[in-house]
Amino acid sequence: AQKITQTQPGMFVQEKEAVTLDCTYDTSDPSYGLFWYKQPSSGEMIFLIYQGSYDQQNATEGRYSLNFQKARKSANLVISASQLGDSAMYFCAMRRVDTNAGKSTFGDGTTLTVKP
Amino acid sequence: NAGVTQTPKFQVLKTGQSMTLQCAQDMNHNSMYWYRQDPGMGLRLIYYSASEGTTDKGEVPNGYNVSRLNKREFSLRLESAAPSQTSVYFCASNPGTTGELFFGEGSRLTVL
Repeated sequence: AQKITQTQPGMFVQEKEAVTLDCTYDTSDPSYGLFWYKQPSSGEMIFLIYQGSYDQQNATEGRYSLNFQKARKSANLVISASQLGDSAMYFCAMRRVDTNAGKSTFGDGTTLTVKP
Repeated sequence: NAGVTQTPKFQVLKTGQSMTLQCAQDMNHNSMYWYRQDPGMGLRLIYYSASEGTTDKGEVPNGYNVSRLNKREFSLRLESAAPSQTSVYFCASNPGTTGELFFGEGSRLTVL
């Protein structure tokens, strides 16, 4: 079974500063992927970034980077130069990636508020 | 460029009524999913379909049924709605073994 834990229900950050959102996971699958999604107040789910368990380098997508520490089973999201539009709920998720039947498991999310 | 389309967007039901949430994707994806999201919480998997013709239970399947009508369409049926099924329902798809989920806009269901 897979489990995702996000221990920060809410976070605040000053505009233009960096923020780290924590995510730890547990799985017995040898090949898995870790994902971060953003959910603004409008409700849609937006994919941000992906990290494969066998990837040697940490993933980056613009202002988003994923701090992947496999031995510690953590996959923290780092948002650099925060903007007001980054205020949203953020979900960490994981799934097996060696099968069509991989199911994504989500954490409970972290609500990020960016202060002007 | 529709992506994943869910209908209806909003629905109010009385306890015991039935309804079907429709989902269609135009990206030729193999896998489709139904999730529910309760207030302040993450998404929990109800049912999924790894490919056309197959469906499997997720974490919270009780009270729901699904049909993978063809590669494009995956419907979720509530046979006898209960207040505990008040939630926002998301349909999602992805190409197969890798890749992120592509989500519909969500369907907000209230059961009185």
